[in-house]
Amino acid sequence: QKEVEQDPGPLSVPEGAIVSLNCTYSNSAFQYFMWYRQYSRKGPELLMYTYSSGNKEDGRFTAQVDKSSKYISLFIRDSQPSDSATYLCAMTKSGNTPLVFGKGTRLSVIA
Amino acid sequence: GAVVSQHPSWVICKSGTSVKIECRSLDFQATTMFWYRQFPKQSLMLMATSNEGSKATYEQGVEKDKFLINHASLTLSTLTVTSAHPEDSSFYICSASPTLGNEQFFGPGTRLTVL
Repeated sequence: QKEVEQDPGPLSVPEGAIVSLNCTYSNSAFQYFMWYRQYSRKGPELLMYTYSSGNKEDGRFTAQVDKSSKYISLFIRDSQPSDSATYLCAMTKSGNTPLVFGKGTRLSVIA
Repeated sequence: GAVVSQHPSWVICKSGTSVKIECRSLDFQATTMFWYRQFPKQSLMLMATSNEGSKATYEQGVEKDKFLINHASLTLSTLTVTSAHPEDSSFYICSASPTLGNEQFFGPGTRLTVL
């Protein structure tokens, strides 16, 4: 079993839809959870950062972490064509240890 | 805030030459920086962890004599690909973690093409 599992998609949704992306993990030592957005030929952009369990909201984005289930989610409300990208979940034990990434989910939002 | 830059953004070189890529944290100090490579349609693969003032820690299968990493200051790490070959062509991305913080911020990446 991989440390972090993420459905690679592709996922295609109409504009305005609510998008749900998720990852599961196996290492209970992970404390910091991140979601990155990566456009083609660009570096990943940090979207959401969460410590331990809980919810965090930023504009149209909501991140949820359930450590008891080892499950994290990213919700995108009112999705836009500009949200079309690859979304990577990542997690780590602390800031000076490497991130462990999911494979990334390719999202297309169709106008 | 939390901007990481990379230079150059792309480079084309001949086989056998060496290429240096710089990674800078512009508005924060980073004790730790990480180097990744990414092939098309694949996720990022960690190459090494770079700590300021000490030797880098390389992942299994990454040749430390081929990929030289120097982290001489709290805002700069460099990756030198020595005697580059076409199979080294890839997208190289660095990330930096603030000394006081746990997030990791990525640079825009460097596309290396070896002819």
